[in-house]
Amino acid sequence: QVQLVQSGAEVKKPGASVKVSCKASGYTFTSYGISWVRQAPGQGLEWMGWISAYNGNTNYAQKLQGRVTMTTDTSTSTAYMELRSLRSDDTAVYYCARWREGDIDYWGQGTLVTVSS
Amino acid sequence: DIQMTQSPSTLSASVGDRVTITCRASQSISSWLAWYQQKPGKAPKLLIYKASSLESGVPSRFSGSGSGTEFTLTISSLQPDDFATYYCQQYNSYFGPGTKVDIK
Repeated sequence: QVQLVQSGAEVKKPGASVKVSCKASGYTFTSYGISWVRQAPGQGLEWMGWISAYNGNTNYAQKLQGRVTMTTDTSTSTAYMELRSLRSDDTAVYYCARWREGDIDYWGQGTLVTVSS
Repeated sequence: DIQMTQSPSTLSASVGDRVTITCRASQSISSWLAWYQQKPGKAPKLLIYKASSLESGVPSRFSGSGSGTEFTLTISSLQPDDFATYYCQQYNSYFGPGTKVDIK
C-alpha cells in the first residue's frame, strides 16, 4: 500500500533552516510527484509547491520563492523540503503528499516544525 | 494568482441533512479542482478530483459539480463521520480557506 513516512518534529531558532524528509513506498516513485503543504496551528492548508520525481521540475508558491527548495532522491524514493531563514510564522505542521499532476491522493503523517527563540 | 474562496466558513447541520459547500475561483480554472476532508489532528483526505470525479473508496453520498469559477461539494445525507473541515483546491495551487461542518 502507498505510504509516505516523514521525519520527526523539529525545533529551530529564527533565521535557521529546516529540512524535512518524506520516504515513499508502495508505488513507483518516479511515476508521481511530491507536493508539500503546511498548516499553521488552528489555520487552513497552505500549498507550498510540488516537485516531479520523474525529472525534478519544481513549482513553488510565490510567497516562498527564494526560501524553499524541494528535492528528490530516486535511489531511496525520498523527497526533501528545505525552508531557510525561518520565522515564527513558519511554525506549522508540514505535510508531504503524492502529487498526481493536479490533485493529491496520499498524504504523509505530518511533521511539526516549531520556530522559537 | 487565482484566489479561492469558500462559503459558508462554518455550517451547522444534523445527521441526515443535505449539505452544500461552495467554492469560487477569481478566474476560470475549467474543471481543475479538488475537494478534501480534514479531521482534527489528521492529514487531509481526497474526496473529489477534476471537480466531479469521486475518488476511489469515498462514499457515494459525496458529489462535486461545477466548472469555470463556481463549484459545489454536496453531501447527500450527512453522517456522523462527516463532521470535519472541507477544503477546495485549484490544481497545482492554492487551497480555499475551508468550511467547518459541525453538529447542530
